[in-house]
Amino acid sequence: AQRVTQPEKLLSVFKGAPVELKCNYSYSGSPELFWYVQYSRQRLQLLLRHISRESIKGFTADLNKGETSFHLKKPFAQEEDSAMYYCALIYGSSNTGKLIFGQGTTLQVKP
Amino acid sequence: NAGVTQTPKFRILKIGQSMTLQCTQDMNHNYMYWYRQDPGMGLKLIYYSVGAGITDKGEVPNGYNVSRSTTEDFPLRLELAAPSQTSVYFCASSTRTYNEQFFGPGTRLTVL
Repeated sequence: AQRVTQPEKLLSVFKGAPVELKCNYSYSGSPELFWYVQYSRQRLQLLLRHISRESIKGFTADLNKGETSFHLKKPFAQEEDSAMYYCALIYGSSNTGKLIFGQGTTLQVKP
Repeated sequence: NAGVTQTPKFRILKIGQSMTLQCTQDMNHNYMYWYRQDPGMGLKLIYYSVGAGITDKGEVPNGYNVSRSTTEDFPLRLELAAPSQTSVYFCASSTRTYNEQFFGPGTRLTVL
């Protein structure tokens, strides 16, 4: 069965330090993965998706099929990066694809 | 555009009561979704719809019902509220299943 695992509930770093939020997945098909973010008092929103291969707000994520991982990275954390981050996998057909979310990781960036 | 709107923001129900959570989107999206989020957990899909008149079950549909009579609206019905349904409920919409989902602000429901 498909599954998304985020092993850390809380990640606390100092401003300027590198950040890596871990995400591992289990899926027998070809995975399509996303990172969603929820800032304080804001809605859950898309941060990035692996097929776009882009950097958003300095964050990048590389799909590693061998390790079944999709870790989110940023070289220098900023205080405004403090938020809840969710890794998500979409599964199913192109007409009925559904998202499955990890448990989420709270990123706390200290000044 | 208001995007995805949900009402109410908060609600307390007694066991056995019924209620409808409202969700409306003004982006003309065909796909709409209902999720629930329990404390410390990720979002779990309750029901989804691929267009008006078409709905299907997600991971955790028991105790809920949905309908989709228009493109804009996707209400979620709780018939006999139970404490296990205490959660935060999110509605979302997208243009296609593999595209970005846009989320509403959530409804915090407590069943006592």
